[in-house]
Amino acid sequence: EDKVVQSPLSLVVHEGDTVTLNCSYEVTNFRSLLWYKQEKKAPTFLFMLTSSGIEKKSGRLSSILDKKELFSILNITATQTGDSAIYLCAVEYSSASKIIFGSGTRLSIRP
Amino acid sequence: SQTIHQWPATLVQPVGSPLSLECTVEGTSNPNLYWYRQAAGRGLQLLFYSVGIGQISSEVPQNLSASRPQDRQFILSSKKLLLSDSGFYLCAWAAGTRGTDTQYFGPGTRLTVL
Repeated sequence: EDKVVQSPLSLVVHEGDTVTLNCSYEVTNFRSLLWYKQEKKAPTFLFMLTSSGIEKKSGRLSSILDKKELFSILNITATQTGDSAIYLCAVEYSSASKIIFGSGTRLSIRP
Repeated sequence: SQTIHQWPATLVQPVGSPLSLECTVEGTSNPNLYWYRQAAGRGLQLLFYSVGIGQISSEVPQNLSASRPQDRQFILSSKKLLLSDSGFYLCAWAAGTRGTDTQYFGPGTRLTVL
């Protein structure tokens, strides 16, 4: 069964802390892995990862993919209250370009 | 438990033909429903959302329309498809309308307009 599992489901940290969000997957014919941040009506795109070991960075956020171990992590350094959101991981797979979403990690940053 | 279904999984339509994509949710009542289009390798674009039967909000002007004839049914339609309507369409549901409410996504429909 194709699946995407995110952990933790929920996380509360203090402002300034560094957090690591996990996403593991089991799919057939992997194509890409995407991270989204959901804080308003629609999730906003963060990263797309297709190659193992190549870190993608955007400000305090970074992400990396391990296609051998079938997981990705999303790191946020020096967290701010504005980082509070649900972070979604999704995997595109199969020759028919299917997509499956994880259940998300709810991140709360306390001042 | 709640499940969300989309039908069909894949669709190939000629330009100018009509479209009807269906999304149904099971296991919950009065969900908020969303239609998205995902551009290849990029983010999600919110097309429509609905907070109740017959209540549709459109986020972007386009060739598409949405309807919610029943509490747990959300339909995406077009009278005449354009080539630019090709894409991957995702339906999602949430228990509430706040950004803090988790959205659960369906398996999607890949539409190709030729």
